[in-house]
Amino acid sequence: GQNIDQPTEMTATEGAIVQINCTYQTSGFNGLFWYQQHAGEAPTFLSYNVLDGLEEKGRFSSFLSRSKGYSYLLLKELQMKDSASYLCGANNLFFGTGTRLTVIP
Amino acid sequence: SQTIHQWPATLVQPVGSPLSLECTVEGTSNPNLYWYRQAAGRGLQLLFYSVGIGQISSEVPQNLSASRPQDRQFILSSKKLLLSDSGFYLCAWSVAGEPLHFGNGTRLTVT
Repeated sequence: GQNIDQPTEMTATEGAIVQINCTYQTSGFNGLFWYQQHAGEAPTFLSYNVLDGLEEKGRFSSFLSRSKGYSYLLLKELQMKDSASYLCGANNLFFGTGTRLTVIP
Repeated sequence: SQTIHQWPATLVQPVGSPLSLECTVEGTSNPNLYWYRQAAGRGLQLLFYSVGIGQISSEVPQNLSASRPQDRQFILSSKKLLLSDSGFYLCAWSVAGEPLHFGNGTRLTVT
């Protein structure tokens, strides 16, 4: 079976750094994907990891530890427009419930 | 470039009525195709995925079905809608190992 867990909600301050954690249990593994979804819109791709380690893409980075079944998404220099839901997806098939991030001034 | 079209954008249907949502992809061949549903404030629930024409995998047993009559066409159907079928339906495509590309979604309200 598949099980993916991430926090339901988080709040952070504009300009700060926030880390959104995701743990997963899957039968087979071929990648951990992160998507951003603004309210009422479709998700858009942010980052993914197939191998252990850190992938950096501008203000966004994602980390993976396959042995621990653990990933995180790191958002730096938070902006108000980063207020959105962040979805963790294993094997690009199964997703967690999403983490709703609210950025406050 | 690749594009994905999903329609309609919104739909209000009475309980017991049929449903047909269509999704088409342009600019790529033999994509993997997916149907997801998202209840209000919730994550994405995988409903169906397809790796080729006529090949449909169902993840959640329910009163919905999917078909892939052509390489780049994916259809979600129901013979009789339930109240619990309300939600935001998203079609997506990918090629192996690459990120999903989502359509704009259909917001279905069953009354």
